Amino acid sequence: GNSVTQMEGPVTLSEEAFLTINCTYTATGYPSLFWYVQYPGEGLQLLLKATKADDKGSNKGFEATYRKETTSFHLEKGSVQVSDSAVYFCALSPIMIKAAGNKLTFGGGTRVLVKP
Amino acid sequence: DAMVIQNPRYQVTQFGKPVTLSCSQTLNHNVMYWYQQKSSQAPKLLFHYYDKDFNNEADTPDNFQSRRPNTSFCFLDIRSPGLGDAAMYLCATSRANLVALSSYNEQFFGPGTRLTVL
Repeated sequence: GNSVTQMEGPVTLSEEAFLTINCTYTATGYPSLFWYVQYPGEGLQLLLKATKADDKGSNKGFEATYRKETTSFHLEKGSVQVSDSAVYFCALSPIMIKAAGNKLTFGGGTRVLVKP
Repeated sequence: DAMVIQNPRYQVTQFGKPVTLSCSQTLNHNVMYWYQQKSSQAPKLLFHYYDKDFNNEADTPDNFQSRRPNTSFCFLDIRSPGLGDAAMYLCATSRANLVALSSYNEQFFGPGTRLTVL
């Protein structure tokens, strides 16, 4: 079955530090890959996505590249801010063969704390 | 703005007292999902509706039910809440397109309802 593994947190950083959160996946075919972010007390927000190998998703200074050869989708940001403190979830969606609801498979989440 | 709305944001109920959580959407999406999330763990899919077709996850307890009276609304009913059902409940929507199958369908999440069971 499908699975997503991401590094455990918490990750504590100083402002303007470089952030990397590792994510690897197991799936058949070419799933779509996502990073969701959850701020305290809120629902999940899509941060970025990639739908095929070598695609790079980017948003708000965050980037992740779909690496088929290493089955990875690591999240990076060059200079974090206090406002980036949140829980980050890596997720995959299997390739659709018919119109239907899709089941997202989530990683366990990584809590990031950015200190001033 | 098109969005997914959940009411209430915070719900307190008593052990064993039925409770209903509400989700509405203005995105006109044909798929709606309910997730349970505990203590910043990964969300766990309970069930979803594809149009009017209900799809239950195999490990979702019978205590959890859902209704979707129309495209815009979906309800989560917990018939007899236990202490272990205290969690954040997230509603999400997506569009599944019959004409142009996409390699993904992005899910849009509501802000969640935090349920406390006393």
